Amino acid sequence: KQEVTQIPAALSVPEGENLVLNCSFTDSAIYNLQWFRQDPGKGLTSLLLIQSSQREQTSGRLNASLDKSSGRSTLYIAASQPGDSATYLCAVRPSTSYDKVIFGPGTSLSVIP
Amino acid sequence: NAGVTQTPKFQVLKTGQSMTLQCAQDMNHEYMSWYRQDPGMGLRLIHYSVGAGITDQGEVPNGYNVSRSTTEDFPLRLLSAAPSQTSVYFCASSYSWTGGSHEQYFGPGTRLTVT
Repeated sequence: KQEVTQIPAALSVPEGENLVLNCSFTDSAIYNLQWFRQDPGKGLTSLLLIQSSQREQTSGRLNASLDKSSGRSTLYIAASQPGDSATYLCAVRPSTSYDKVIFGPGTSLSVIP
Repeated sequence: NAGVTQTPKFQVLKTGQSMTLQCAQDMNHEYMSWYRQDPGMGLRLIHYSVGAGITDQGEVPNGYNVSRSTTEDFPLRLLSAAPSQTSVYFCASSYSWTGGSHEQYFGPGTRLTVT
């Protein structure tokens, strides 16, 4: 059974720091992996989607990498800002069952001005 | 495009009452799904649909019914609400079931409290 974990559960950094959020999954047979951002009391906003054949995706200050063989993805945030404070979730879509996306528990990020 | 919309935003029910959570998308997405989000449990899939007239169960389907009569709408019904159904409910959609990126788009959520 596919399981997704995210470490750390919470992270607090000063403004301007570069930071890395981690996502691990137990089964390498995935179709894609998607990173989301969730602000308190809000829905999920898609940040980056990495297909299984890709190694990384970039959008602005965000870079997500994927290493299927080791069951890991990282989300790199450059030059963090207070507006980046949110919970970040990763979600894995198994290649054997497209319908059942598995979410990680999330990392709560706080960027201190 | 409005994207994925959900109504209501907040709802309080008494145990045993029934209600329907509405979800609509205007992106012509084939795939739609419902999740619930609980502290410490993350997002869990309740039901999903790969097209009009086709639905299936997710990880936690008990106590919920769905139907998909149109591509745009995917309502979630609670037949007899229980306190254990207190949660935040999210609807999501993606463009293609068979191939494509499967990038998911989420609605703003419905916060449900059952007393």
